[in-house]
Amino acid sequence: DSGVTQTPKHLITATGQRVTLRCSPRSGDLSVYWYQQSLDQGLQFLIQYYNGEERAKGNILERFSAQQFPDLHSELNLSSLELGDSALYFCASSVDGTPEQPQHFGDGTRLSIL
Amino acid sequence: KNEVEQSPQNLTAQEGEFITINCSYSVGISALHWLQQHPGGGIVSLFMLSSGKKKHGRLIATINIQEKHSSLHITASHPRDSAVYICAENTGNQFYFGTGTSLTVIP
Repeated sequence: DSGVTQTPKHLITATGQRVTLRCSPRSGDLSVYWYQQSLDQGLQFLIQYYNGEERAKGNILERFSAQQFPDLHSELNLSSLELGDSALYFCASSVDGTPEQPQHFGDGTRLSIL
Repeated sequence: KNEVEQSPQNLTAQEGEFITINCSYSVGISALHWLQQHPGGGIVSLFMLSSGKKKHGRLIATINIQEKHSSLHITASHPRDSAVYICAENTGNQFYFGTGTSLTVIP
């Protein structure tokens, strides 16, 4: 058990809809990362937060947004969903978000767009 | 464009064999990560390297900064090592992932 909790585990929805994925980091970790893993593109970095502030941005689409709240949990919002958004979405956390610190991964949310 | 290349893509080994997975990256890094992903999908971070060598149990990871190359070694492989191994380049504010090496260890 990594200590990182992601909900929901599975999500099935339709094109054009909006969903929110939630991540609770490991106790004591201040930084949260979001990743997308799809069959055709593999793992991709989306965005990183540290103590409520955006720290780094990767290949995150404009239809997607994220935030980290004062209690350090994070949410990833996906809107105007397309079939290609079907993927596993992982959240990871680390103590201070520096490259030298290990990341602890949640079990992921599997998003299926019908 | 940053590229992270792994080899081999697929690897089948007999239990007990010594295994090496290679990773090449294209730009300077802050850290190189090795991840393990089991068939159920969960990801575990195995190592982070910025120089030298690290060892954890039967796993050894090395990195050569000048050659922009890292290797993951598994000694005395076991069927429970069967998983996808992914290397990732952390440049400090970006992550770039390899496509993974699928390892199957046969009893």
